[in-house]
Amino acid sequence: KAGVTQTPRYLIKTRGQQVTLSCSPISGHRSVSWYQQTPGQGLQFLFEYFSETQRNKGNFPGRFSGRQFSNSRSEMNVSTLELGDSALYLCASSLDRQGLNEQFFGPGTRLTVL
Amino acid sequence: AQSVTQLGSHVSVSEGALVLLRCNYSSSVPPYLFWYVQYPNQGLQLLLKYTSAATLVKGINGFEAEFKKSETSFHLTKPSAHMSDAAEYFCAVSDRQNFVFGPGTRLSVLP
Repeated sequence: KAGVTQTPRYLIKTRGQQVTLSCSPISGHRSVSWYQQTPGQGLQFLFEYFSETQRNKGNFPGRFSGRQFSNSRSEMNVSTLELGDSALYLCASSLDRQGLNEQFFGPGTRLTVL
Repeated sequence: AQSVTQLGSHVSVSEGALVLLRCNYSSSVPPYLFWYVQYPNQGLQLLLKYTSAATLVKGINGFEAEFKKSETSFHLTKPSAHMSDAAEYFCAVSDRQNFVFGPGTRLSVLP
């Protein structure tokens, strides 16, 4: 069974631009969660999507948004990029809601904002 | 609300020595507990999990953890460290609704 895939793996953008990251979960998994990882703040939860609906949201500004499609694939969008958005963005999928099962992580997308 | 603390942001051990990474949690309901490992430039990989069955949980790569309710702890151990164990380790707690990760502990293994 293929694991969680994230595209692209690396991305360089400039301040003010927007970016879209993609995540394909493990086949059959219905929940996709997104995390931001930085050296200073550690692993921070962004949001969880389950059955195309956002079920849970972390403490991030509205510039961060996401969606989930009927095939469970998910996208995350960040608008008006800031230097502080530079981070590794991790996607995780689970069979059911994130709290009920272990999460399986993708390799991440490393975003650099110049 | 639930939370996780990991004592020691950086732990160093010699190759062949015991590995002990500490995790304490708070949860208003009986928790599910997890340990994940992250190697450089990779995502997180599940090491082991506790979901209210046996309190001593065995995971991959020779790691194990013991759930101690009275101490609200879920420490990770490995009898003999290997160079390939050098990585960052994250403890996480779930109350069936949300996942909360600890800040992580970076393990260095010295030759």
